[in-house]
Amino acid sequence: LAKTTQPPSMEAYEGQEVNVSCSHTNIATSEYIYWYRQVPHQGPQFIIQGYKDYVVNEVASLFISADRKLSTLSLPWVSLRDAAVYYCIVTDIDTNTGKLTFGDGTVLTVKP
Amino acid sequence: EAAVTQSPRNKVTVTGGNVTLSCRQTNSHNYMYWYRQDTGHGLRLIHYSYGAGNLQIGDVPDGYKATRTTQEDFFLLLELASPSQTSLYFCASSDTGGARDTQYFGPGTRLLVL
Repeated sequence: LAKTTQPPSMEAYEGQEVNVSCSHTNIATSEYIYWYRQVPHQGPQFIIQGYKDYVVNEVASLFISADRKLSTLSLPWVSLRDAAVYYCIVTDIDTNTGKLTFGDGTVLTVKP
Repeated sequence: EAAVTQSPRNKVTVTGGNVTLSCRQTNSHNYMYWYRQDTGHGLRLIHYSYGAGNLQIGDVPDGYKATRTTQEDFFLLLELASPSQTSLYFCASSDTGGARDTQYFGPGTRLLVL
């Protein structure tokens, strides 16, 4: 399973766009990229997933580099509610266990 | 949105005590998971199950047992609790267990072992 590396923390002001990067230099062709976030006192919540190129949903967008070694989660117009720990997770699509391996994530602080 | 509930939300026990954490999901998901989260770190998988009566070993299973009695209910058992098991425990469920499937997490149970 590919190891992921994220910045430990980031800060932003309300209304700014935030880009959280994740390096997965040893990602295999059978591995998929997920992003979850966890606000204090709650369980993690799914944000977005992708395999290559660009994915967008109503919450965020995900850009994956052509060699798939880097992904960037983009949060447009962050608010105080977006303050959370953001986890980049790589998982093997050939297995059928759904196992998620969490790292320590990126702590996003949002200032008013 | 999938509903996953956990009980109790907080639990205090002593070393050597017997603890059962309960998890229920009401969306007919096949897969259920138990994770632990220690302060400042990500979640680690303890056990998981893909159906009633099934149990699979996770990444940090030592000191834990689990049982899936029905499709809805998954229990985590600590038969001889130790202070090292003081942690925040999350249960999750997913439909197929496939890598493209989303996991839905419960609110967590905070366990303190004195």
